[in-house]
Amino acid sequence: GENVEQHPSTLSVQEGDSAVIKCTYSDSASNYFPWYKQELGKRPQLIIDIRSNVGEKKDQRIAVTLNKTAKHFSLHITETQPEDSAVYFCAASPNNDMRFGAGTRLTVKP
Amino acid sequence: SQTIHQWPATLVQPVGSPLSLECTVEGTSNPNLYWYRQAAGRGLQLLFYSVGIGQISSEVPQNLSASRPQDRQFILSSKKLLLSDSGFYLCAWSHGSLGSYTFGSGTRLTVV
Repeated sequence: GENVEQHPSTLSVQEGDSAVIKCTYSDSASNYFPWYKQELGKRPQLIIDIRSNVGEKKDQRIAVTLNKTAKHFSLHITETQPEDSAVYFCAASPNNDMRFGAGTRLTVKP
Repeated sequence: SQTIHQWPATLVQPVGSPLSLECTVEGTSNPNLYWYRQAAGRGLQLLFYSVGIGQISSEVPQNLSASRPQDRQFILSSKKLLLSDSGFYLCAWSHGSLGSYTFGSGTRLTVV
């Protein structure tokens, strides 16, 4: 089955700096890669996703890149703000059972 | 629009007691349905998924079971809870296998 690894497990940045979270996956059949943000005690919510026919996707301060050859994808957050502080999960889906990374706790210091 | 309901929000149960968590989806038909568990400070572990009524796939052998008695209803059960069953249980749905997942608000289960 699919195995997703996510790094780093914790990340602390100064407000205004950029944050990068990286994930690798094992199943070459995976072709859908979403990112979720989970605030403390709440449900994970989709923030951006990318499909295997696209190399990069941007949505305002958030961007995701995908390298299918190397089987890795990354989340980039620019001009970070304190409200970006949360746990971020990457995921990969080859079929009906999406697998999540272990999560990255991002702290943005004001 | 589609909505997903999950209840109860919190639950404290003694070891050895039964469990029933319910999840329903509105505004769509034939959704894929999922149960995930999240231990404190940890990632999301897939427990069960279902692509149709009566169709359940189990990912982790344990004392939990799932059922889908209706198209938009997904139930997580246990006959006897263990301390290790404590965690945050999340139901989710998607359109087919390549759609984004939408999560319910979760049930925080504490087994004492």
